[in-house]
Amino acid sequence: AQSVTQLDSQVPVFEEAPVELRCNYSSSVSVYLFWYVQYPNQGLQLLLKYLSGSTLVKGINGFEAEFNKSQTSFHLRKPSVHISDTAEYFCAVTPPGGGSNYKLTFGKGTLLTVNP
Amino acid sequence: GAVVSQHPSWVICKSGTSVKIECRSLDFQATTMFWYRQFPKQSLMLMATSNEGSKATYEQGVEKDKFLINHASLTLSTLTVTSAHPEDSSFYICSGAGGRANVQFFGPGTRLTVL
Repeated sequence: AQSVTQLDSQVPVFEEAPVELRCNYSSSVSVYLFWYVQYPNQGLQLLLKYLSGSTLVKGINGFEAEFNKSQTSFHLRKPSVHISDTAEYFCAVTPPGGGSNYKLTFGKGTLLTVNP
Repeated sequence: GAVVSQHPSWVICKSGTSVKIECRSLDFQATTMFWYRQFPKQSLMLMATSNEGSKATYEQGVEKDKFLINHASLTLSTLTVTSAHPEDSSFYICSGAGGRANVQFFGPGTRLTVL
């Protein structure tokens, strides 16, 4: 079984400041890792994913995340945030494979609020 | 990226009626579809997993007779909330996954309000 811990439920920052949203996971098997963003009253949009290879992955909207196997972390970062980045961010993991193995385990989410 | 649509985007119904929500993968074949429920300011709770042509697998605590899921084709899954009650009011989100992408693509969600 897997579990995901998002250490901060809310992160307020000022516009153009850097931000890091923290995610740690626990799993007895290797996992794939994802960050999704959810804007109010909308579904989830994939920001980025780590499946294998380079531990630094770049996603959409200027976000990036680094997979750290020894620390079992997958923190999301952006060097300069915009007002439009205000949203809920979810970290998720899934075991490799297909079919029912696609099942995602989500963290509780981090609300990023960007203030002018 | 792959696109998943949901219909309707919001629905209001009277207690005791049934509501059907459609989830379609528009530009890929979703061999597996998932249905989630999300309460305000909370994470997504997986309700069930369905593979095309097979019966859905429900998570513990989810009533399969109340939340009927049909995955009749590789591009369409439906969730029917039968005899809805106010406590069923929630935001329902579907997702689809297929091929070797190992990624779920989510629909925009359906907000259900039961009066």
